Amino acid sequence: QSVLTQPPSVSGAPGQRVTISCTGTNSNIGAGYDVHWYQQLPGTAPKLVIYGDNSRPSGVPDRFSGSKSGTAASLAITGLQAEDEGSYYCQSFDHSLSAWVFGGGTKVTAL
Amino acid sequence: QITLKESGPTLVKPTQTLTLTCTFSGFSLSTDEMGVGWIRQPPGKALEWLAVTFWDDDKRHSPSLKSRLTITKYTSKNQVVLTMTNMDPVDTATYYCVQSRTVSGTTRFDHWGQGTLVTVSS
Repeated sequence: QSVLTQPPSVSGAPGQRVTISCTGTNSNIGAGYDVHWYQQLPGTAPKLVIYGDNSRPSGVPDRFSGSKSGTAASLAITGLQAEDEGSYYCQSFDHSLSAWVFGGGTKVTAL
Repeated sequence: QITLKESGPTLVKPTQTLTLTCTFSGFSLSTDEMGVGWIRQPPGKALEWLAVTFWDDDKRHSPSLKSRLTITKYTSKNQVVLTMTNMDPVDTATYYCVQSRTVSGTTRFDHWGQGTLVTVSS
């Protein structure tokens, strides 16, 4: 059971917009700690795609965006492409656990 | 260009101690904001943070595994070593070495190694 809750899967047609939710508590996201998102393509290591709730590292396409409100955050992929298929994980800090925590991961499929 | 690479055994027996080494390049652990940590992923499961060591000599370990984990940095050699005692089959996972960056009090994991699969079996 992950501290941050994500849907197991989301899907959409190529070109569509998909969103992935990440729900936490007042010990982590709700306490104001930043949320970061990682993309894990099949058979590869995770890669940072969003940091600080809504910032993109250099080289990450602008079709990836992040937002946060209250105890939840979300990642949006606008204009889904086949190359975006993989798993996505949110991450934050939990002050009650004194630990960096991850969501359970969401598998994204382009139909 | 920042790179990290994990090295260590691919198979350990139950109750043994696992020692993993991360060798990195492209940054220094003596630079402000920098850190190196370990994250693992059991087959088909989610990511789990284990430990991190920072530029200012601060170290943090997962509370649920703290009694079993030790993280040590060798700044001049650009290496960080993780030891995990009393290994169990449930510890079978891919272990990733990660470069962290702490800005305005928030830590993120910017760069990841390719990972090394460690299997615990007799």
